[in-house]
Amino acid sequence: GAVVSQHPSRVICKSGTSVKIECRSLDFQATTMFWYRQFPKQSLMLMATSNEGSKATYEQGVEKDKFLINHASLTLSTLTVTSAHPEDSSFYICSARVGTGNYNEQFFGPGTRLTVL
Amino acid sequence: AQSVTQLDSQVPVFEEAPVELRCNYSSSVSVYLFWYVQYPNQGLQLLLKYLSGSTLVKGINGFEAEFNKSQTSFHLRKPSVHISDTAEYFCAVSGSGSEKLVFGKGTKLTVNP
Repeated sequence: GAVVSQHPSRVICKSGTSVKIECRSLDFQATTMFWYRQFPKQSLMLMATSNEGSKATYEQGVEKDKFLINHASLTLSTLTVTSAHPEDSSFYICSARVGTGNYNEQFFGPGTRLTVL
Repeated sequence: AQSVTQLDSQVPVFEEAPVELRCNYSSSVSVYLFWYVQYPNQGLQLLLKYLSGSTLVKGINGFEAEFNKSQTSFHLRKPSVHISDTAEYFCAVSGSGSEKLVFGKGTKLTVNP
């Protein structure tokens, strides 16, 4: 099956620093990648949708200047949390979409646990 | 726009008992429906999906779900659960023509010995 990796799996940083999270599709080319945020014991909330070579589309309420998304290739997307604060602590999950058209299958990465001190 | 309601936030059951996790959706267009499982500190794994055709969908690990258009439901069932089925289960919907998934709030299934 399609495999999506994320790196790092866990990161702890000081308030005010920036953190970059990588999302890679290992054995397929992803037309679209998605970034989700999950608070403890809650559902996944879509943050943004990114397509290779174009600007990401952010969901309402998500600060694009704080959560920078770069989709450099068909197998790599990065999420940078700039000037992180404790309220940004969360579980960040990416997914990669295979194919085009109406059928929307997303394959999910294992997630990155961000803790901001 | 689509929305998903998972009626039970927690479902405790005993091992080898049957279980049903409920999911209702709303949408003004045709939908695709999914069930995902999440183990602690991990990403999501697809259990099964409904795209079209037979309303009874079989997935991995012995799970199945039935799409009921009139009741706008997609309940997940397993006839006999194992301890290893303990996890968080998410129902999700995608509108035909949309690339976005909308998730329910999840149901925590706990299987007790």
